[in-house]
Amino acid sequence: DAGVTQSPTHLIKTRGQQVTLRCSPKSGHDTVSWYQQALGQGPQFIFQYYEEEERQRGNFPDRFSGHQFPNYSSELNVNALLLGDSALYLCASSLDPNTGELFFGEGSRLTVL
Amino acid sequence: GENVEQHPSTLSVQEGDSAVIKCTYSDSASNYFPWYKQELGKRPQLIIDIRSNVGEKKDQRIAVTLNKTAKHFSLHITETQPEDSAVYFCAALGGGGNKLTFGTGTQLKVEL
Repeated sequence: DAGVTQSPTHLIKTRGQQVTLRCSPKSGHDTVSWYQQALGQGPQFIFQYYEEEERQRGNFPDRFSGHQFPNYSSELNVNALLLGDSALYLCASSLDPNTGELFFGEGSRLTVL
Repeated sequence: GENVEQHPSTLSVQEGDSAVIKCTYSDSASNYFPWYKQELGKRPQLIIDIRSNVGEKKDQRIAVTLNKTAKHFSLHITETQPEDSAVYFCAALGGGGNKLTFGTGTQLKVEL
């Protein structure tokens, strides 16, 4: 049973560019959440997708957008990259988001130069 | 929104000693409190969790306690081992469901 998988694992971009990160949830899970973890900090909630809709959003600008596909996989898009967007982006899946039990992927480490 | 504070930020113990990490939360409607262990370069991994209808939960060497009145919860690790060295995060699931708010993390170092 595959867990949560994310791609790419590492990537380097320059300021102003755009990036797309991908996530496949754990088998049987239909809810995907995205978190940003800056170095030395705890994960910060970006948004959550369920039934292909954004269900809840954290305090992130509109440059951060996402999508969920019918197979429950998800993408995170960040436009007009800033140096401060450098972080580990974690995808987490859950069967029932109201219970809170999240399973995290290994993350995508984004470096913005 | 929910705010979670975590202390201490670093903790150094001798192998075999106990370690305690404390968190407070602000949203009285929060109902789920997980603890995650994150090793360098790895994903956060759930090690134990507790729900608001329970005061204490134990799993081998780790335990979590919850005081709803005071809005704080703690992680207790007994008989610490070098492999317990990692960053530990507490989190709280708000009354609105859906999102976890994390603490700032505790770097635990278990010294031989």
